[in-house]
Amino acid sequence: EVQLVDSGGGLVQPGGSLRLSCAASGYTFTNYAMSWVRQAPGKGLEWVSGISGSADSTYYADSVKGRFTISSDSSKNTVYLQMNSLRAEDTALYYCARDKIWGPNDAFDIWGQGTVVTVSS
Amino acid sequence: DIQMTQSPSAMSASVGDRVTITCRASQGISNYLAWFQQKPGKVPKRLIYAASSLQSGVPSRFSGSGSGTEFTLTINSLQPEDFATYYCVQHNSYPRTFGQGTKVEIK
Repeated sequence: EVQLVDSGGGLVQPGGSLRLSCAASGYTFTNYAMSWVRQAPGKGLEWVSGISGSADSTYYADSVKGRFTISSDSSKNTVYLQMNSLRAEDTALYYCARDKIWGPNDAFDIWGQGTVVTVSS
Repeated sequence: DIQMTQSPSAMSASVGDRVTITCRASQGISNYLAWFQQKPGKVPKRLIYAASSLQSGVPSRFSGSGSGTEFTLTINSLQPEDFATYYCVQHNSYPRTFGQGTKVEIK
C-alpha cells in the first residue's frame, strides 16, 4: 500500500525551529517528487515547498524562502522540512503530498495525515 | 508565478443540483491541473487529475474539463456526501498554486 506518514509537529515559540518528517512506503521513492502543503486554521490549502525525487532540485513559496529547508534521505525514504525563524502565521496543519515533476497524472495523488504546527508564546 | 483564480468562493445548492466550479490560470498550464474535495477535519482527496481524468473510486457524477487556462469541475446530481470544500491546483511549474477553494453548502 502506498502511504505517507508525516510527523514532527508541535508547539514552538516565535523565532524557534521545528523539523517535520514524511516517511514514504509502497513505491519507488526516487521516482516521485514530494511537496509540503499547509492549511492554517479555517483557511485554504497553501503549497509550501517541494523537492525532486533525486533531491537535486528544491522549491519554496516566497512566504517561507530563506527560513525553511526541504531535504530528503533516499536510504530512509523520508523527506524533511526544517523550519527556522518560525512566525505566528506559520501555524497550520502541514501535509506532505506525493508530487511529480513531469507528466500530468501523478501529482498530489497521495497525502499524509498531516501534522500540526503551532507557533505561540 | 502562476495564479489560480477559483470561483465561486462559496455556493448553496440542493441535492440533485448540477454544480459547476471554475479555475482560471494566469498563464497556460496545459492539462497539469487536479481537483480535490476536502471535508472538515479530513485530508484532501483527489477527484480529478490531468484536468479531466477521474480518479479511481470517485463517482462518475464528478467530471473535469478544460485545458490551457480555463478549467471546470462539474458535479452532476449533487449528493448529500458532496457538501464539502473543493480546490484546484496547478502542477505545471513551481511554485505549485492552489485555488482559493469553493465551499459547497446545503441550500
